[in-house]
Amino acid sequence: QVQLVQSGLEVTKPGASVKVSCKASGYIFTSSGISWVRQAPGQGLEFMGWISPYTGDRNYVQKFQGRVTMTTDSYMTTAYLELRSLRSDDTAIYYCARAPGMATTLDYWGQGTLVTVSS
Amino acid sequence: DVVLTQSPLSLPVTLGQPASISCRSSQSLVYSDGTTYLNWFQQRPGQSPRRLIYQVSSRDSGVPDRFSGSGSGTDFTLKISRVEAEDLGVYYCMQGTHWPQTFGQGTKLEIK
Repeated sequence: QVQLVQSGLEVTKPGASVKVSCKASGYIFTSSGISWVRQAPGQGLEFMGWISPYTGDRNYVQKFQGRVTMTTDSYMTTAYLELRSLRSDDTAIYYCARAPGMATTLDYWGQGTLVTVSS
Repeated sequence: DVVLTQSPLSLPVTLGQPASISCRSSQSLVYSDGTTYLNWFQQRPGQSPRRLIYQVSSRDSGVPDRFSGSGSGTDFTLKISRVEAEDLGVYYCMQGTHWPQTFGQGTKLEIK
């Protein structure tokens, strides 16, 4: 069965960087893209971008351009999200999701990683 | 960016009664290949979102048949024929037709 298992809680300070991992199993990792979605406390879902583990192609939502890097390691079947220059409003749960096509849908989700940015 | 507007934002329902959520798009969600990439997700309290419906009306495996999706173009609906206690949570529509993908604000389904 498809599973996406994310890394654990991150507590960090304003201006720092964070890197969240998403270990995929149960399917051919390079057959489908991975997207990242975040959810601030008590808020809705916000799409951040998409990466293809097969081609390395990636697209980021303009709001995050310059601060975000999405990567994959096909050998480890793991996707990574790095977010830099963190601010307090980056405090959120960050989800990875399997994204077939170019994220026309998000069919399986990780359990989420809480990133807390606080001085 | 495409704006998805859900209504209502809060939906108190009685168990066993039907429920309906609307999702309206600022642009047509028909892709150049003729497919409409409109999805519905359920997020139970403390859980990750779970996909219920994709391409407007295709139900995911394991999703009870009391959930159905319909609509076309810019106007879409998620219906629950008879609400059960396990349906409590927040429901989101999401479009995958236009970059960047966007979500509706969410509709909180509450049990009366």
